[in-house]
Amino acid sequence: DAMVIQNPRYQVTQFGKPVTLSCSQTLNHNVMYWYQQKSSQAPKLLFHYYDKDFNNEADTPDNFQSRRPNTSFCFLDIRSPGLGDAAMYLCATSRDKMAEQFFGPGTRLTVL
Amino acid sequence: GENVEQHPSTLSVQEGDSAVIKCTYSDSASNYFPWYKQELGKGPQLIIDIRSNVGEKKDQRIAVTLNKTAKHFSLHITETQPEDSAVYFCAARLNSGYSTLTFGKGTMLLVSP
Repeated sequence: DAMVIQNPRYQVTQFGKPVTLSCSQTLNHNVMYWYQQKSSQAPKLLFHYYDKDFNNEADTPDNFQSRRPNTSFCFLDIRSPGLGDAAMYLCATSRDKMAEQFFGPGTRLTVL
Repeated sequence: GENVEQHPSTLSVQEGDSAVIKCTYSDSASNYFPWYKQELGKGPQLIIDIRSNVGEKKDQRIAVTLNKTAKHFSLHITETQPEDSAVYFCAARLNSGYSTLTFGKGTMLLVSP
C-alpha cells in the first residue's frame, strides 16, 4: 500500500561522513521533491525533479546533491554533513507540478 | 516570492469543540491552497485543498474557506477528536508551471478528552 517509501527511517552519521537517503514511489509520478524539516518548523524545499529535469532552490547549500536514476527512485546525498544538517528529510511526489503532493514518512538524520 | 503567515502557532481545544486555523498569503497570483496534517514522527498528509475558483470546500468534519480579496484562507475542524491532535500546515502555490509550495509555519493542535 505504501506509495512513497523512504529508507532508512532513521539515519545516524558522523560529522563530515557522506550519507545517502533514499526515496522510492509506486505512483509513477513525474515530479519528486526533497524537503528538509527542522524541529518545529515548516518543510523547506531543497530541490525537485520534473522527470529528469533537476531544479535546485537558490538557497540550497552545495553540500546537498540529488540523483534520480529512474522514475521510481530519487536519492539525497549529503557530502559532508554538519551538525546543522540534523533534521527530518521528507520526500514527496506529484503527478505534475500543478497536482497535489504526497509525502513519504521521512528520514530522521542525526549527525554526531 | 510568496509569503504565508499562519495563526495561531498552538491551539488547545476540548473534545467536541471546533478549531479554526487561519493563513494569509502575499501573492495574489496564488491559486492553490492545500492543508497538511503531520503527526509526530510522520510525514505531512494532505487533508484538504482548495483552488481559487471556489470559496469553500467541505469533507466530513473538515472545511476550508478562501477569501481571495483579503488573501486569506482558513481550516475549520468541527467536533474535534483526540486523534485530530497534530501539527497542521497551510501552503500556497502560484499559478505557474515552475512554482512550488510555500508553507506556513504550522499550528500545533491539541484536543483534550
